[in-house]
Amino acid sequence: GQNIDQPTEMTATEGAIVQINCTYQTSGFNGLFWYQQHAGEAPTFLSYNVLDGLEEKGRFSSFLSRSKGYSYLLLKELQMKDSASYLCAVLSYNTDKLIFGTGTRLQVFP
Amino acid sequence: GAGVSQSPSNKVTEKGKDVELRCDPISGHTALYWYRQSLGQGLEFLIYFQGNSAPDKSGLPSDRFSAERTGGSVSTLTIQRTQQEDSAVYLCASSSGLAGAAEQFFGPGTRLTVL
Repeated sequence: GQNIDQPTEMTATEGAIVQINCTYQTSGFNGLFWYQQHAGEAPTFLSYNVLDGLEEKGRFSSFLSRSKGYSYLLLKELQMKDSASYLCAVLSYNTDKLIFGTGTRLQVFP
Repeated sequence: GAGVSQSPSNKVTEKGKDVELRCDPISGHTALYWYRQSLGQGLEFLIYFQGNSAPDKSGLPSDRFSAERTGGSVSTLTIQRTQQEDSAVYLCASSSGLAGAAEQFFGPGTRLTVL
């Protein structure tokens, strides 16, 4: 079976750093995606990791460890506009389907 | 078009009625996905089209749900005899379908409310 776990909610302060973790169990792994979804809007792509290590893109970084079935999304210099849900999704090599976690709702406070 | 479009943006219907939801993917994208998102929940995979291959229907929750994709472009998701538990946002996404370039681009969704 396939299972993706991430925390339901997190809070942080403007200007701070927050790390959102995602663990997964899946067959035929072909990469892990992070999407951002503001309330009432469609998800938008943030990052894609298929090899172990850290991918940095501006204030956002994503890390992957395939042996541990673990990823995290790191958000630096938090801004109020970063308040959103962050969805971890695993791409199955066998089926080309993205399996989504339930998402982590992040609230950034002043 | 520039992005994935969906129509209608909102649909209110009565229990037992049929509804059709439309998705226009990004031009040239061979892969098209339908998802369902209930309030406060993650995305639930429904169905996947890739080129001319038979669709992956493994996520459809019941035989009241069906989808087709005409001419490899526009897709329609049909829900027959709607039930209140069908109320959700239905999201469509498309991708180029190329290995290593599997980013999915999402449409704005259709919010379905079944009274």
